[in-house]
This record gives sequence, C-alpha cells and structure tokens, in this order.
Amino acid sequence: GAGVSQTPSNKVTEKGKYVELRCDPISGHTALYWYRQSLGQGPEFLIYFQGTGAADDSGLPNDRFFAVRPEGSVSTLKIQRTERGDSAVYLCASSAQEGTEAFFGQGTRLTVV
Amino acid sequence: QKEVEQDPGPLSVPEGAIVSLNCTYSNSAFQYFMWYRQYSRKGPELLMYTYSSGNKEDGRFTAQVDKSSKYISLFIRDSQPSDSATYLCAMSAWNRDDKIIFGKGTRLHILP
Repeated sequence: GAGVSQTPSNKVTEKGKYVELRCDPISGHTALYWYRQSLGQGPEFLIYFQGTGAADDSGLPNDRFFAVRPEGSVSTLKIQRTERGDSAVYLCASSAQEGTEAFFGQGTRLTVV
Repeated sequence: QKEVEQDPGPLSVPEGAIVSLNCTYSNSAFQYFMWYRQYSRKGPELLMYTYSSGNKEDGRFTAQVDKSSKYISLFIRDSQPSDSATYLCAMSAWNRDDKIIFGKGTRLHILP
C-alpha cells in the first residue's frame, strides 16, 4: 500500500481481555517500529523489528506485551490481560533503513474499560 | 536527564510570524534528526529530516542541526492557522540496532 496501515483504528476492550493490533508497513520497508502515545505526550518506544527479528524490545513495559513479524512484513502487537493503564494510541511506523526517517500509520486507539 | 528534551508549550503566535521550535539532546551518537507534525487524533507526519549537522530548507520550513551544542531547531516562516499542531522532534544514531527517540512535542497555535 501507499502508507502504513493500522487496524483496527479504535478498539474498546474490557479489563483482563486479550487484544491484537495489526500493522501493515510500507511495501519494501525492512524496519518496523511500535510506539505508544498517551495524551499530551510524545511517542514512547516499545519495540523495533529489522526484518523478522526484534532488534530491540527494551520498551515493552512488561511480559503482557508481545509483538511478532513472522514474514518480515505485517506485524501484530499482542497485549494479554489488559489493564486500564494500557489505554493509549498505539502507533506503528516503518522505514526503508534502520534508524532513518520513519513513516507512521494513523494509530490504533485502545481503550480498556 | 532525558535523551531528548522539548518544551511542551503551548506556543501561541500571530499569523504570519516566524515560529522557532527547538529540542536538545544528550546522546552525541545521534546522527539522524527528524521533525514530525501531528494533528489531533492523527498519526505523526514526517516534515523534514537531516543527517548530521547543517541546515535544510523546504518551502516555509527550515531545519537546523548544531551537533556541537546538541541542539536542533525547526523554523516556520509566514505561519498559517493550518500550521497549528503538535511538532515532535525525533532522532537516532546511524546504527543497525538503533531506535528513533522522540521528544514530548510542542503544541503550536497560530492565531488568525
């Protein structure tokens, strides 16, 4: 596609449930990033993939968060046993080369009630 | 000290004024510097990026990097109400395993 696509755009879930957030990067981009953004804050780094492997997952807040990119293209961010504090906009970005300019999707707004 | 510092604002200026937005950083390994614009409830949109030091101009926007001072700036000339948004600086080292680090963003209001 022409840009980074994220689905769903909005997700409301009950506390304790499991959610999956999907990211389709720009075709041919090898680097893929997940960020989380709370209201009034800048994007907070979660995890970064180079190809299929997670090059840096130091931003994942705890073991309830997990992300995969099995074929080096689409990525899924998985959150188990969701908590109200997980409510935020989850942003995905991709870049053609690691560490260079990244292009963002519109984000998934997650609300845990 | 955070890796990237950015004044959150809000910054309000009259239409037509020159706007100056700034970030400081602590990691001397940073080589790539980016500015993003984010409208409410939208994803960040890449405005400009520069590699290493120097200036880069694109229309009404100019990005400056001063690596000796660890200071970057974005200037907006002839500001328009449509420039009202949050501006995020971002940077990374040029290294295979380096992530992009963002500032908190500066909220900018251009007053008609």
